[in-house]
Amino acid sequence: DQQVKQNSPSLSVQEGRISILNCDYTNSMFDYFLWYKKYPAEGPTFLISISSIKDKNEDGRFTVFLNKSAKHLSLHIVPSQPGDSAVYFCAASDSGGGADGLTFGKGTHLIIQP
Amino acid sequence: KAGVTQTPRYLIKTRGQQVTLSCSPISGHRSVSWYQQTPGQGLQFLFEYFSETQRNKGNFPGRFSGRQFSNSRSEMNVSTLELGDSALYLCASSSDSRNSPLHFGNGTRLTVT
Repeated sequence: DQQVKQNSPSLSVQEGRISILNCDYTNSMFDYFLWYKKYPAEGPTFLISISSIKDKNEDGRFTVFLNKSAKHLSLHIVPSQPGDSAVYFCAASDSGGGADGLTFGKGTHLIIQP
Repeated sequence: KAGVTQTPRYLIKTRGQQVTLSCSPISGHRSVSWYQQTPGQGLQFLFEYFSETQRNKGNFPGRFSGRQFSNSRSEMNVSTLELGDSALYLCASSSDSRNSPLHFGNGTRLTVT
């Protein structure tokens, strides 16, 4: 049973436009959510996180939105740049912290076209 | 600060053998977690160590084990290797304060033939 789902295996966006990556979860105990970016042959790199007490967190070009009632979160990248081409993973935790085992989605491959 | 370091980067083993992977966390991080990444299953949590004790464990068979040393370095061992153990094994460390994210190494790519 997949508790964190990223339903789009891939997404293609033009450079300069907004990229929106989506993630749904089923476990209502999840209270901390993260997005990671992964390039080939490298480990995932932490991008941005949000706790369940908030509905939005912003860091530069990256904004994460959380809709608890819909059990849905999204990552917005504005404007999209060629270096943003990577696989993006959504992850969730029910401990309020990142150390007790994150549950990951299967990733969305974002391709930024020039 | 140096990042999470994993050795070796690549390993090729034969079915039935055992393997040990090593991880050095970011300096000052006392929590070390291990994840397995495969194309079909994505990233799956193996276990987490804190202060030399296994604090949390995922749904993997007992062939997968680990340990953590007093300097927070960690090792992961897989015994009686199976073809399905071929994967990227990722180590991550955390400062273990509330809502602190995991920081990953570049992984060890294990191929079992």
